Amino acid sequence: NAGVTQTPKFQVLKTGQSMTLQCAQDMNHNSMYWYRQDPGMGLRLIYYSASEGTTDKGEVPNGYNVSRLNKREFSLRLESAAPSQTSVYFCASSEAGDTETQYFGPGTRLLVL
Amino acid sequence: QKEVEQDPGPLSVPEGAIVSLNCTYSNSAFQYFMWYRQYSRKGPELLMYTYSSGNKEDGRFTAQVDKSSKYISLFIRDSQPSDSATYLCAMSALKAAGNKLTFGGGTRVLVKP
Repeated sequence: NAGVTQTPKFQVLKTGQSMTLQCAQDMNHNSMYWYRQDPGMGLRLIYYSASEGTTDKGEVPNGYNVSRLNKREFSLRLESAAPSQTSVYFCASSEAGDTETQYFGPGTRLLVL
Repeated sequence: QKEVEQDPGPLSVPEGAIVSLNCTYSNSAFQYFMWYRQYSRKGPELLMYTYSSGNKEDGRFTAQVDKSSKYISLFIRDSQPSDSATYLCAMSALKAAGNKLTFGGGTRVLVKP
């Protein structure tokens, strides 16, 4: 039981490049989330998926797109990376209706030059 | 102004001391209050969860919520070096599928042997 896994662990991009961050969970959770964490800013929600087939914007969605591929997988895409997107990205999952107990992945450190 | 405010620290204490952490918030709709612990270069993990006002104790950890003052606290008794981490408070208004959490910026705690 791996919990929430994320790939890659670390990535360096040049401004304007695109990439997709992958997330998968094996806990049969309905809800999945993408956060970014910046120093002093805490975790800010980018997008979330309450259940398979649905996605919604969070607090900071600009510059990102998401895909809920199936119940297990939720990917985050940066179409044209900008230095402001340098951050640590966390994926999380939870049971439907149990938002409080979110299980987080180990994070992806992204540096945009 | 941020919806949830948390002193970033760092908070340095000797082993065995009581660690006192707190958050203030502005949204009176918040009813669910969480404390997450995050070790360096890891994802956050849920430590304590409290609904509405009151106290909750779990081993060496005590969470308090004062909704009238919009203030929550976490106390760690008999602190250990293994408690050295960043502690994030989080809150939500509803217990619903995909409901999002609002996080504080986190307080870094260092327990010295």
